Amino acid sequence: NAGVMQNPRHLVRRRGQEARLRCSPMKGHSHVYWYRQLPEEGLKFMVYLQKENIIDESGMPKERFSAEFPKEGPSILRIQQVVRGDSAAYFCASSPPNSATTNEKLFFGSGTQLSVL
Amino acid sequence: DAKTTQPNSMESNEEEPVHLPCNHSTISGTDYIHWYRQLPSQGPEYVIHGLTSNVNNRMASLAIAEDRKSSTLILHRATLRDAAVYYCILRDNNYGQNLVFGPGTRLSVLP
Repeated sequence: NAGVMQNPRHLVRRRGQEARLRCSPMKGHSHVYWYRQLPEEGLKFMVYLQKENIIDESGMPKERFSAEFPKEGPSILRIQQVVRGDSAAYFCASSPPNSATTNEKLFFGSGTQLSVL
Repeated sequence: DAKTTQPNSMESNEEEPVHLPCNHSTISGTDYIHWYRQLPSQGPEYVIHGLTSNVNNRMASLAIAEDRKSSTLILHRATLRDAAVYYCILRDNNYGQNLVFGPGTRLSVLP
């Protein structure tokens, strides 16, 4: 069973460019979460999605950031017009359906390290 | 989510038991206690979780105080590969889905 797959593993962008980070959840998982970890800091929640729906985006910056989880294909975290402060590790996690009632664990990917020059 | 308090860092010798404490004095009745760890350059990894009773799995044991205001993650025999940041997280079963990570405890394992 493949785990949560994130790609690319490393992404370099110049200021003003767009960054697209992809996350394929584990097979059978319909919940996806995105977290950001700045250098030497803890993980900060960004957004929680189910298939085709954003459930909680309370941690997403109001501008330039967006996320989607289409019916088919991976979840995408999109950052427009990147700035140096966006440089961080971005982690995706997934969990199975009905995890609200079963307090299921989250499975994390290895992350995408975004570097903005 | 209720707040947890953990020591910033701990050290252990290889092959000795490690007890990682966590205080959560404002825990509510519907909060589960989760532990995750993050090895260098990797994403977090689930370790264990529980509600009221002590829990054991192949990775660790979780001892929960009777009043649930504190808990302890127990690694029975630390190995060098257990060196990581360990996060104690409360997760409300009635609300929301995401995990709220604090700074955690950085565990160093000495050979």
